[in-house]
Amino acid sequence: DADVTQTPRNRITKTGKRIMLECSQTKGHDRMYWYRQDPGLGLRLIYYSFDVKDINKGEISDGYSVSRQAQAKFSLSLESAIPNQTALYFCATRGSNEQFFGPGTRLTVL
Amino acid sequence: QKEVEQDPGPLSVPEGAIVSLNCTYSNSAFQYFMWYRQYSRKGPELLMYTYSSGNKEDGRFTAQVDKSSKYISLFIRDSQPSDSATYLCAMSVYKGMNYGGSQGNLIFGKGTKLSVKP
Repeated sequence: DADVTQTPRNRITKTGKRIMLECSQTKGHDRMYWYRQDPGLGLRLIYYSFDVKDINKGEISDGYSVSRQAQAKFSLSLESAIPNQTALYFCATRGSNEQFFGPGTRLTVL
Repeated sequence: QKEVEQDPGPLSVPEGAIVSLNCTYSNSAFQYFMWYRQYSRKGPELLMYTYSSGNKEDGRFTAQVDKSSKYISLFIRDSQPSDSATYLCAMSVYKGMNYGGSQGNLIFGKGTKLSVKP
C-alpha cells in the first residue's frame, strides 16, 4: 500500500461548490503539507502542519482551509471553489530528511 | 528574487547524452539539498539527497553542491528515455522531523522538464 494516499484522484466541480480533498499517511510523520502545482509556477505551499495542534499558512492559503484530524490525516477544503483553483494538488509528509508525496488530486473548477 | 531559481526548460537531449540540471539559491543558511523526479501525472519522488557541500554519486546520477556559489547541480550520465521527467531541486535550513519549525520546510525550485529522445 502507498505511504501517502489522496482521495479523490480526480474531481470536476462547479464554481461556488465546497470541496474537500483528503490525505492519509502511514509513515508516522508529524509534518504534513498541502501544495498546488500549476504549469510554470511549480509547487506552491498552501498549508502545513507540524502536529495535530500546530497548523500554519503557506504562501497561498487564501481561499483554502485545512483540518488535521489525526497524525495520519490532513484534509484540504475549498470553501467556495473558483476556476483559478483548477490545479494539481499534492499532499506530502516529511521525516528527518526525505519528503514523501501523494499521487496527487487533479481538480477542475468549471 | 525567489529563494530558489531553476531554469524551467524544456530541455531536450538525445539518448546517451550527459545532462546538467542546475539551481541557484539566495539563502546561505540552506544545508540540506535534494533533487526530486516527477513523471507526468505522478507525485515527485526523491532522487538524490546531499548535506552541505560536495558531490554525491548514485549510479548514473551525480549531485553537486557548491555553497560558496549558492549553486547546486544534478548530472545524468548516459541519459535514457526513461529519464524523461520534470526534475525539481529542493532545499531547507534544517532537517524535518520536529526540529527547526518552518526552516525545516523544503523550498522547491519550479522544476526543469527533461525529454530524452531515443
